[in-house]
Amino acid sequence: RKEVEQDPGPFNVPEGATVAFNCTYSNSASQSFFWYRQDCRKEPKLLMSVYSSGNEDGRFTAQLNRASQYISLLIRDSKLSDSATYLCAVGGNKLVFGAGTILRVKS
Amino acid sequence: ETGVTQSPTHLIKTRGQQVTLRCSSQSGHNTVSWYQQALGQGPQFIFQYYREEENGRGNFPPRFSGLQFPNYSSELNVNALELDDSALYLCASRLDREPQHFGDGTRLSIL
Repeated sequence: RKEVEQDPGPFNVPEGATVAFNCTYSNSASQSFFWYRQDCRKEPKLLMSVYSSGNEDGRFTAQLNRASQYISLLIRDSKLSDSATYLCAVGGNKLVFGAGTILRVKS
Repeated sequence: ETGVTQSPTHLIKTRGQQVTLRCSSQSGHNTVSWYQQALGQGPQFIFQYYREEENGRGNFPPRFSGLQFPNYSSELNVNALELDDSALYLCASRLDREPQHFGDGTRLSIL
């Protein structure tokens, strides 16, 4: 079993849709949780950290469930510019990434 | 944009050769990590340096080695290159426990 697993993609959604990604992790001692966004042939860029209390940044909401060992990312009112690969990352001293989920938002 | 810069951008090598990739950390960052990202996969942790000492290593063979310099810049060296080493190599820096920020990466192709 992989340390970090993400929903298989791609997710093809129309503009304005709400889309949710889940990510599960196996190491219960993990301390830090993040969502990164990666555009084609570019580096990952930090989208948001994920906190136990949940956190929101505009149209993006991230949640952490330590008991079930998963994190989620909700994107509301999807824009064409949201099309990218979304990577979850989990860790303490080192980050372990999932394989990523491709999101395609279409007009 | 992020402050982390990597060189070169692209590199083509042949099997058996050696390569050195370079990374300049974002100003003020004392920790640098290197990752390998194969096509269609997430980044895989190679190793991490904190104040010039390696303080974490992923599942990579010893032919992957690194250095961190007093100015916190870093090098990744790979010896005896293999075809499977073809990937995007990413450097990320951070200050203590803050989130990591990635450079643009070096795309390495092995022929």
